Amino acid sequence: GQNIDQPTEMTATEGAIVQINCTYQTSGFNGLFWYQQHAGEAPTFLSYNVLDGLEEKGRFSSFLSRSKGYSYLLLKELQMKDSASYLCAVWDSNYQLIWGAGTKLIIKP
Amino acid sequence: GAVVSQHPSWVICKSGTSVKIECRSLDFQATTMFWYRQFPKQSLMLMATSNEGSKATYEQGVEKDKFLINHASLTLSTLTVTSAHPEDSSFYICSARDLTSGRDAGELFFGEGSRLTVL
Repeated sequence: GQNIDQPTEMTATEGAIVQINCTYQTSGFNGLFWYQQHAGEAPTFLSYNVLDGLEEKGRFSSFLSRSKGYSYLLLKELQMKDSASYLCAVWDSNYQLIWGAGTKLIIKP
Repeated sequence: GAVVSQHPSWVICKSGTSVKIECRSLDFQATTMFWYRQFPKQSLMLMATSNEGSKATYEQGVEKDKFLINHASLTLSTLTVTSAHPEDSSFYICSARDLTSGRDAGELFFGEGSRLTVL
């Protein structure tokens, strides 16, 4: 079966750095997405990786290793507004989007 | 990015009634829209893929006669929850890819979501 694993919950301190990991086993791979979802709101797009390596976008960076079936989202200079759930999603060989359960990130002052 | 608007944001209804949720692409045309359902503390679950001018494709386990989808134009898809029951209470979210404006990078653009509470 297809599976995406990410931690259920993480806690970090304002101003610090946090890394949210995602591992996947899917039938084929056409790219990996990270979305941010604040409580009670719809997800918003953060990043898309299809090639190995690190993609940096401001305070957020996303890394992909296709051989390891692994990605991480790195958040720097954490702000209170970064408290949200972070969803990892993978496009399989049929371009069907497989979603992880999300990681709830709690930022403490 | 592209804008998808969903209405209503909140709806409370009595058991047995039907509820219609609208999803509109505001600045692009969407031949395909996706309807998701999300229960508290759970991930998004794809319910169906809405195709403009043709029948929707439903995921396994989703009752097509209960969740009616109509995609009558390139900017509007509707989801009607028929004879709603308390177990249908959930957060319903639509999304689409912007394939017509040349800006597509693969990402989905989501509507604001509709929180349905069935009493």
